Amino acid sequence: DGGITQSPKYLFRKEGQNVTLSCEQNLNHDAMYWYRQDPGQGLRLIYYSQIVNDFQKGDIAEGYSVSREKKESFPLTVTSAQKNPTAFYLCASRTRDSSYEQYFGPGTRLTVT
Amino acid sequence: QKEVEQDPGPLSVPEGAIVSLNCTYSNSAFQYFMWYRQYSRKGPELLMYTYSSGNKEDGRFTAQVDKSSKYISLFIRDSQPSDSATYLCAMTGPTDQAGTALIFGKGTTLSVSS
Repeated sequence: DGGITQSPKYLFRKEGQNVTLSCEQNLNHDAMYWYRQDPGQGLRLIYYSQIVNDFQKGDIAEGYSVSREKKESFPLTVTSAQKNPTAFYLCASRTRDSSYEQYFGPGTRLTVT
Repeated sequence: QKEVEQDPGPLSVPEGAIVSLNCTYSNSAFQYFMWYRQYSRKGPELLMYTYSSGNKEDGRFTAQVDKSSKYISLFIRDSQPSDSATYLCAMTGPTDQAGTALIFGKGTTLSVSS
């Protein structure tokens, strides 16, 4: 089945620890995105990548880092510098053709205590 | 003024009702419009995708775009309890302006009671 997978579904960490969220897609999509979703805030863009080995900051990149070494993978690291890391994290992807349809993974719920 | 405005609700309707969900936007460059459905603790699912002004129908769902008024709508006919979810509108321009992803509304929470 083609799609986007995110793991784990739930993640718990202690404050001060870095944590990496996985995102993999087998849709052969060029562009990949990370969003953060908080209650009442909608989706906010953290980072995006349009091609391998290239990525750009979104609206709320502080405290986060990414890499894009392979087309199908776009991991997100939540560092200890992120002040409020507890949130629902969503990965998405789309092709770079004229279609702007973007598809989402199932999400990772990160809780930091 | 935010780029995309969407009433968060919650919106509660009885089963079988016609539901109207709306978004307004301020950027006249937006040309691609999408509606996503998101169930609790799940990723958003692409429901409808439209490019031009007018209506697009898919089963019980109709997406409507009025570019002159900068207003988009999603209509759900014969609503079912399984339609209970948060509905997010999203849009973008003709090019990846600064390489941005979609601009989302905050979502409207819909509850359909049986």
